[in-house]
Amino acid sequence: QVQLQESGPGLVKPSETLSLTCTVSGDSIRSSNWWSWVRQPPGKGLEWIGEISHTGSTNYNPSLKSRVTILLDKSRNQLSLRLSSVTAADTALYFCAREIASDAFGIWGQGTMVTVSS
Amino acid sequence: QSALTQPASVSGSPGQSITISCTGTSSDIGGYNSVSWYQQHPGKAPKLIIYEVSHRPSGVSNRFSGSKSGNTASLTISGLQAEDEADYYCSSHTTSSTTVFGGGTKLTVL
Repeated sequence: QVQLQESGPGLVKPSETLSLTCTVSGDSIRSSNWWSWVRQPPGKGLEWIGEISHTGSTNYNPSLKSRVTILLDKSRNQLSLRLSSVTAADTALYFCAREIASDAFGIWGQGTMVTVSS
Repeated sequence: QSALTQPASVSGSPGQSITISCTGTSSDIGGYNSVSWYQQHPGKAPKLIIYEVSHRPSGVSNRFSGSKSGNTASLTISGLQAEDEADYYCSSHTTSSTTVFGGGTKLTVL
């Protein structure tokens, strides 16, 4: 059974960099899958942040592309998200997810809440 | 990229059928059969209920069905049940090799 678990600081100061980790169990990030980050501001809808393939290829949301980096750590079976120069608008519940078909996120972590505030 | 357009809310009585629309453009929904639908209950992670327009993941009730015509995708829930009350999101692949979500639809079971 594949499980995803997000982790990271729950509070980040404005202008700093948000860093999150998604630990994968029951599957290898080396497998032929795409892994994504999705966020959801409080009371609002889902926003796709970006994705990374098992080979390290990435695609990012154009609105966030200049600030986002998604990486794989194959030794730890983890993927990470870095979002720079954060503002209050980046306050959200952040999910990692694995595709099971083209752009279909069939496996999700429980999410981790990040608040941007001084 | 612009979010796909969904109605903010829909409602129906138990046993009835409802349909939620999701409108995009030829650069997303209209250009690909990579439309997915998610159900999200409060405080929970989204759950995939339809992928590739009309396919159901294992374990998802056959009361959920999906379709697409042109730039608009639709999710139909038949035999509405109280447990179906949730938020529903569509998503699609785009020509920019990205994924775009709809704004979400709140389903109320009367």
